[in-house]
Amino acid sequence: KAGVTQTPRYLIKTRGQQVTLSCSPISGHRSVSWYQQTPGQGLQFLFEYFSETQRNKGNFPGRFSGRQFSNSRSEMNVSTLELGDSALYLCASSFSEGQDTEAFFGQGTRLTVV
Amino acid sequence: KNEVEQSPQNLTAQEGEFITINCSYSVGISALHWLQQHPGGGIVSLFMLSSGKKKHGRLIATINIQEKHSSLHITASHPRDSAVYICAAGFLSSGSARQLTFGSGTQLTVLP
Repeated sequence: KAGVTQTPRYLIKTRGQQVTLSCSPISGHRSVSWYQQTPGQGLQFLFEYFSETQRNKGNFPGRFSGRQFSNSRSEMNVSTLELGDSALYLCASSFSEGQDTEAFFGQGTRLTVV
Repeated sequence: KNEVEQSPQNLTAQEGEFITINCSYSVGISALHWLQQHPGGGIVSLFMLSSGKKKHGRLIATINIQEKHSSLHITASHPRDSAVYICAAGFLSSGSARQLTFGSGTQLTVLP
């Protein structure tokens, strides 16, 4: 069974550009959540999607957005990139959104903004 | 306020030693997660628990709901256990089970 796949693994963008990251969950999983990891702030919750609906969003500006498709694949988009957006972006998938279901993480996308 | 504190920040052990990493949280949770992160970034979920104790191989996780405290133990540590260990709490006040609040992580180095 394939794990959570994130693409691309590495990305370099320039300030002001926008970027789209992709996450393919484990087959059959309908919940996808996104997290940002930086040296200064550690890991922080970005948002969660379930059945194509955003369930919850963390404390991030509106430049951070996402969506989920009918096949449960999810994308997150960051517009008008800032240097501080440089981070490892991780997604995790779960079979359901319940508290008793385990989350499986991907390898992450490392974004560098120059 | 939803907070997670983890200790120690860094831990160096000799191969074979028993290791304990601690995690405290501020208010009621739905679940407590222990995660492992190797260089390169990928995260592996080790345990998810809401009460009691779980064991997987040489790893044991315990949680005391009354004291709002969890521990991760590694028995007979091995150099391949070297990684960052992160605890994460799903607080009851959060909007969803996936809105986790993370500890700052423990960098474990096991020397041969």
